[in-house]
Amino acid sequence: NAGVTQTPKFRVLKTGQSMTLLCAQDMNHEYMYWYRQDPGMGLRLIHYSVGEGTTAKGEVPDGYNVSRLKKQNFLLGLESAAPSQTSVYFCASSYSAGIQPQHFGDGTRLSIL
Amino acid sequence: AQSVTQLDSQVPVFEEAPVELRCNYSSSVSVYLFWYVQYPNQGLQLLLKYLSGSTLVKGINGFEAEFNKSQTSFHLRKPSVHISDTAEYFCAVTAMFSGGYNKLIFGAGTRLAVHP
Repeated sequence: NAGVTQTPKFRVLKTGQSMTLLCAQDMNHEYMYWYRQDPGMGLRLIHYSVGEGTTAKGEVPDGYNVSRLKKQNFLLGLESAAPSQTSVYFCASSYSAGIQPQHFGDGTRLSIL
Repeated sequence: AQSVTQLDSQVPVFEEAPVELRCNYSSSVSVYLFWYVQYPNQGLQLLLKYLSGSTLVKGINGFEAEFNKSQTSFHLRKPSVHISDTAEYFCAVTAMFSGGYNKLIFGAGTRLAVHP
């Protein structure tokens, strides 16, 4: 009963390096989301997707790109990592938006040196 | 624009005592409200949700919340807490985003620390 799986769980990068975070869900959900969590700021939406092949910007999209080539996967990319992107990243999915609850992965702790 | 304010960043409480975590929201339209819990090194789990109907909502682990439209509040309560309730709690409200899609707006979180 996997739900939402995020890989990797931890990563340390140097400034300027690139990487991709992978999110996979097995609940056949249409909607998927990427958030970042920073102390005292709750969760902020980076990008989201309302279905396979679609993506849209959230509140804090700068410095990130996403892709949703398959319904079950949602990838978050950092092309040139910056120390300000040090955070915990959460992926979530839901059957629909609004009234349907979101299901979260366990997070990826990313440190940019 | 919708927003969520969690009035306490930290709430210390002794085991078996009652607790209330406060949440206020701003919105000019109908809202859906949620409380999520985050245990250490884990993702968020849904505690309860208010969509419509009865203003008193019961959730998992003995928590409940009351929707108060006139005060725009959705406070979370538990009559007797356990050590295992130590976690961070997030209040969230749906918001209409550009393009017509709803999304969640989260509060900053309240860290509940239950002491023996």
